[in-house]
Amino acid sequence: DAKTTQPTSMDCAEGRAANLPCNHSTISGNEYVYWYRQIHSQGPQYIIHGLKNNETNEMASLIITEDRKSSTLILPHATLRDTAVYYCIVRVLGRNAGNMLTFGGGTRLMVKP
Amino acid sequence: EAGVTQFPSHSVIEKGQTVTLRCDPISGHDNLYWYRRVMGKEIKFLLHFVKESKQDESGMPNNRFLAERTGGTYSTLKVQPAELEDSGVYFCASSRGFAEAFFGQGTRLTVV
Repeated sequence: DAKTTQPTSMDCAEGRAANLPCNHSTISGNEYVYWYRQIHSQGPQYIIHGLKNNETNEMASLIITEDRKSSTLILPHATLRDTAVYYCIVRVLGRNAGNMLTFGGGTRLMVKP
Repeated sequence: EAGVTQFPSHSVIEKGQTVTLRCDPISGHDNLYWYRRVMGKEIKFLLHFVKESKQDESGMPNNRFLAERTGGTYSTLKVQPAELEDSGVYFCASSRGFAEAFFGQGTRLTVV
């Protein structure tokens, strides 16, 4: 799976949008971009994923650049409960693919009052 | 719908003893994964079941670790004998096909 690069940490004011960047310059055409987060010592939580189109769900939006070499996870109105480590993961899907998730160091997002 | 359930939530054992961790996936999920995070390190993949078959066990650290998923429902991960470096948090995840994986809350294993 392609390597991803994320900032180690970020701060965000409560109520403001949190924009978390991720670089994946060696991504292949069949690799998806996934985002997970881990709140304190809980299990990782799925947020969103996409291939090349922008995606939105009830938790977040995912913006993928046209060349797919980078993406941004957007939490539109961050709350204190969004404080967590956010992982950007690229992953091949399919019957003969590994299907596992390769976690890096992630971005530690601190939402402040 | 119940999520992925792991048992126990915490386990403290002595070096050389045996511990068995259990994971109950979300009902209907044929894919089951084990991951772990040891102190100060990143979360690492251990292995992947499709139903009762091991699809990929490339992440298993050594032969002291044995994972089973008899009947394709719940899974167990046995560590025998446990060593100090096995301490960490063991996560289980499940998915339906190639869809996103949902994780349990983990089992915190401490080997003393």
